Amino acid sequence: NAGVTQTPKFRILKIGQSMTLQCTQDMNHNYMYWYRQDPGMGLKLIYYSVGAGITDKGEVPNGYNVSRSTTEDFPLRLELAAPSQTSVYFCASSYSGPRLYEQYFGPGTRLTVT
Amino acid sequence: QQPVQSPQAVILREGEDAVINCSSSKALYSVHWYRQKHGEAPVFLMILLKGGEQKGHEKISASFNEKKQQSSLYLTASQLSYSGTYFCGTVYAGNMLTFGGGTRLMVKP
Repeated sequence: NAGVTQTPKFRILKIGQSMTLQCTQDMNHNYMYWYRQDPGMGLKLIYYSVGAGITDKGEVPNGYNVSRSTTEDFPLRLELAAPSQTSVYFCASSYSGPRLYEQYFGPGTRLTVT
Repeated sequence: QQPVQSPQAVILREGEDAVINCSSSKALYSVHWYRQKHGEAPVFLMILLKGGEQKGHEKISASFNEKKQQSSLYLTASQLSYSGTYFCGTVYAGNMLTFGGGTRLMVKP
């Protein structure tokens, strides 16, 4: 199993550009998450999904959108990139909710907006 | 609401012990612990459930004090491989995981 994979690994965007961060998991997990981690800080939840077709906002959703058409894929869309979105983005998945189940993280995408 | 971790950083010599604390102002359902090495993704260590027992993983163990809404991570006889940033994540009833700010641990030879 590859686990959770993310593409791209690195990306530089200009202010106002848009992009999609890809995330795929092959563990048949129901729950998927997007986090951002600013330098020297903890992880902040952007969006999450409890299954295909169901998504919900996390703590910091502004400037982002998600969709979940399949169990495996959970792309994150950045519209009109801003310097404040410079961060490392981690996708994660879990079998079920975080009350009982650990999360598996992808390797991350390092995004710089200039 | 974000849990508070202490200390923010700790430096150890190989073989020394350390304790990292994670406190919440709200009633917790469960607490997760993760370790993140520089430039890598967080890796799950253990989860402690409300009403559950102390967990252990080799020389790393943790406890959950429901009365204080606090969890502690115990690293015994630390090894160089223990270096990294440790994050606790707290789960309140019906909510998602909320991570603390992290504790940076450096183990020196």
